[in-house]
Amino acid sequence: DIVMTQSPDSLAVSLGERAAINCKSSVSVLYSPNNRNYLAWYQQKPGQPPKLLIYWASTRQSGVPDRFSGSGSGTDFTLTISSLQPEDVAVYYCQQYAGNPYTFGQGTKLEIK
Amino acid sequence: QVQLQESGPGLVKPSETLSLTCSVSGGSISSGRYSWSWIRQPAGQGLEWIGFVYTNGNTRYNPSLKSRVTISLDTSKNQFSLELTSVTATDTAVYYCARGFGDGANFFFDSWGQGTLVTVSS
Repeated sequence: DIVMTQSPDSLAVSLGERAAINCKSSVSVLYSPNNRNYLAWYQQKPGQPPKLLIYWASTRQSGVPDRFSGSGSGTDFTLTISSLQPEDVAVYYCQQYAGNPYTFGQGTKLEIK
Repeated sequence: QVQLQESGPGLVKPSETLSLTCSVSGGSISSGRYSWSWIRQPAGQGLEWIGFVYTNGNTRYNPSLKSRVTISLDTSKNQFSLELTSVTATDTAVYYCARGFGDGANFFFDSWGQGTLVTVSS
């Protein structure tokens, strides 16, 4: 299985400040023929299902605020929130969809400082 | 806007079969662009992908669960289903159904049901 490791496990950031969550895969999720990274990011709030934020490592899902951005390639990826808002408090997961089984990171809990 | 809704028993006895259905509205489950997945999450833990069914009925399962899992489509009802046999307490989790979108062979999950808690206990 492709192991996805997120860091940190938890993060506290002041409102309006930048938050960055890292995700590392045990093997590359970059598919050279199409130059796509098979990496997605989700946001999960308590009692709710995960919500897709980013796919192909850097493509923002429709309706997701532009303060959310994804970057990285190969094995190292980052989800960045440029200016933290109160509604961004949640657990964030990365997911690889390059190999079977699809696997998720362990989650990063984001809180307000 | 597609919507997904899980249904099924909230309590299953050990060694029995867990059966859940996902009803899809706002879009046809027969659309060739998507796959249809089950994903679970034990309380306070992370997410585990169980498997998916394509619109043509072909399936792909997580190897760790493959011997116990069946996912099937019912296009007449616009539903898909999960069966997990020989359950134990470790199968206790919130079960989500989700729509997969991607490149036709590999998928991320762009729509999710609200989830249903299944507890395995006698």
